[in-house]
Amino acid sequence: NAGVTQTPKFQVLKTGQSMTLQCAQDMNHNSMYWYRQDPGMGLRLIYYSASEGTTDKGEVPNGYNVSRLNKREFSLRLESAAPSQTSVYFCASSEIQRRLAGETQYFGPGTRLLVL
Amino acid sequence: KNQVEQSPQSLIILEGKNCTLQCNYTVSPFSNLRWYKQDTGRGPVSLTIMTFSENTKSNGRYTATLDADTKQSSLHITASQLSDSASYICVVSSTYNTDKLIFGTGTRLQVFP
Repeated sequence: NAGVTQTPKFQVLKTGQSMTLQCAQDMNHNSMYWYRQDPGMGLRLIYYSASEGTTDKGEVPNGYNVSRLNKREFSLRLESAAPSQTSVYFCASSEIQRRLAGETQYFGPGTRLLVL
Repeated sequence: KNQVEQSPQSLIILEGKNCTLQCNYTVSPFSNLRWYKQDTGRGPVSLTIMTFSENTKSNGRYTATLDADTKQSSLHITASQLSDSASYICVVSSTYNTDKLIFGTGTRLQVFP
């Protein structure tokens, strides 16, 4: 099992450009998440999908959109990139949605994004 | 405001030594607390998850403790190895808003030979 995979690993964008970050998991998990990690701050939830066909906003959703393409794949789109979106983006998945205590989230290796 | 604070921010120890990392939280009502290990350039990996009724949990050389009364947790690493060099992140969730995990900023541990 590859676990959670993310593409690309690195990306440089100019302000105003758009791009989609891809995430896939092969663990048959129901729930998937997108986080961003910035220096000096804890991971912050951007969007999540509790199950196939549903998506919900997290703590910092502005400037992002998501698509739960199927049970395996959850993509994050930046429509018009801004320098404030320079960050490391992590995708995660869990077997059950977060409402139940004790589930483990499995994280991908991250996508490092620089917006100039 | 729900917060998770970790100390120290960074720590340097020699290989073979023990160390303890601290996590204080103000999240209420408390649901569970997790410790994650994050190697440089990688995603976080879960070490332990503890609920309200658990006050200690081990995973190999890692032992986490939880005092729900004082809202404190610690992660003790025994006989450190070079591969323990990483950031260790404390994460807390609340039963009030179980959709949200509150992440600490992490303790960066460096183990030198």
